[in-house]
Amino acid sequence: NAGVMQNPRHLVRRRGQEARLRCSPMKGHSHVYWYRQLPEEGLKFMVYLQKENIIDESGMPKERFSAEFPKEGPSILRIQQVVRGDSAAYFCASSPGVSGNTIYFGEGSWLTVV
Amino acid sequence: GENVEQHPSTLSVQEGDSAVIKCTYSDSASNYFPWYKQELGKGPQLIIDIRSNVGEKKDQRIAVTLNKTAKHFSLHITETQPEDSAVYFCAGRYNFNKFYFGSGTKLNVKP
Repeated sequence: NAGVMQNPRHLVRRRGQEARLRCSPMKGHSHVYWYRQLPEEGLKFMVYLQKENIIDESGMPKERFSAEFPKEGPSILRIQQVVRGDSAAYFCASSPGVSGNTIYFGEGSWLTVV
Repeated sequence: GENVEQHPSTLSVQEGDSAVIKCTYSDSASNYFPWYKQELGKGPQLIIDIRSNVGEKKDQRIAVTLNKTAKHFSLHITETQPEDSAVYFCAGRYNFNKFYFGSGTKLNVKP
């Protein structure tokens, strides 16, 4: 049973470019979460999605950041016009979506903005 | 919204000793509390969890206790080994399926 798959694992972007991070949830999981982790810091909630629906995006910055989880394919976290402060590890997690279940994390995507 | 506080931020123990990490939460509606271990360069891995209708849960050398009245829960690692060295995060679930994390504890087990 494959775990949560994230790619790319490492991404380098110049300031002003776009970054796209992809996440395929565990088999049978229909809910996806995105968290951001700055160096030496904790996990900050960004967004919670189910297929074709954003359930909670209260942790997403108001500008430049967007997320989707289409009916087919992986969930995508998109960061437009990246700035140095966007450099961080971005973790995706998934759950079956049924109350009472935990979330399982992928190995993360490390974004470096130069 | 929910807030989870975690202490200490760093913890250094001698191999074979016990380690205890404590978390407090603010939302009394929270009903599920997982713990994750994160090794350098990797994603958080679930190591143990506890639901609000249980006071204690044990899995080999690790255990978690929950005090609902005081709204705090703790991770206990006995007979620590160097491979236990990592960052540990507590989390609380509230509002159906939303999780908030503590700030992490960096555990160093000295051989």
